[in-house]
Amino acid sequence: SQQGEEDPQALSIQEGENATMNCSYKTSINNLQWYRQNSGRGLVHLILIRSNEREKHSGRLRVTLDTSKKSSSLLITASRAADTASYFCATGIQGAQKLVFGQGTRLTINP
Amino acid sequence: GAVVSQHPSWVICKSGTSVKIECRSLDFQATTMFWYRQFPKQSLMLMATSNEGSKATYEQGVEKDKFLINHASLTLSTLTVTSAHPEDSSFYICSAPAQLGTQYFGPGTRLLVL
Repeated sequence: SQQGEEDPQALSIQEGENATMNCSYKTSINNLQWYRQNSGRGLVHLILIRSNEREKHSGRLRVTLDTSKKSSSLLITASRAADTASYFCATGIQGAQKLVFGQGTRLTINP
Repeated sequence: GAVVSQHPSWVICKSGTSVKIECRSLDFQATTMFWYRQFPKQSLMLMATSNEGSKATYEQGVEKDKFLINHASLTLSTLTVTSAHPEDSSFYICSAPAQLGTQYFGPGTRLLVL
């Protein structure tokens, strides 16, 4: 079952702007991950944040995690046309290897 | 880096036929693999966890007799969609566990049942 809710479902911005996507979840987690999917392709892992971490950076990506609110956000700074893709959060459930995916945000960067 | 491949990348078949999709880990061994289904503009839904040398674990609502999974070796898992119907048309993606709880995903297989 899908426990993650993401918003917005779709986001369209101009190149160079920042893009922020949010994810909420319901159960206790070991970690929260963000993946990217180009149209019709598999998923690529972007970044993982552990349940005891609050913020993490990787290049132009910044992820926050608020376990009290069961929510996370992904910020992509200085967006590029090549960032156009769908972005999914996924939660690693305690005691299990499997991931539960959010509904995803379709991001379009306009040149 | 580690790579997961899938074959075929797309398949078109007639209603009632069976379709086999292969998922391979190319440069690492995977005792566990995961099979997902994704409908257009929707998220990934986990169908089952494939376990090498034992039975697959299916998610609630997934028919195990409809979606046969075989994990015959440490680098190969197969998903067979039996007696496929148009409603089975979807994008099927496999993955294998990586470090720290992440997963390596295959490129997906698009199935169209006519």
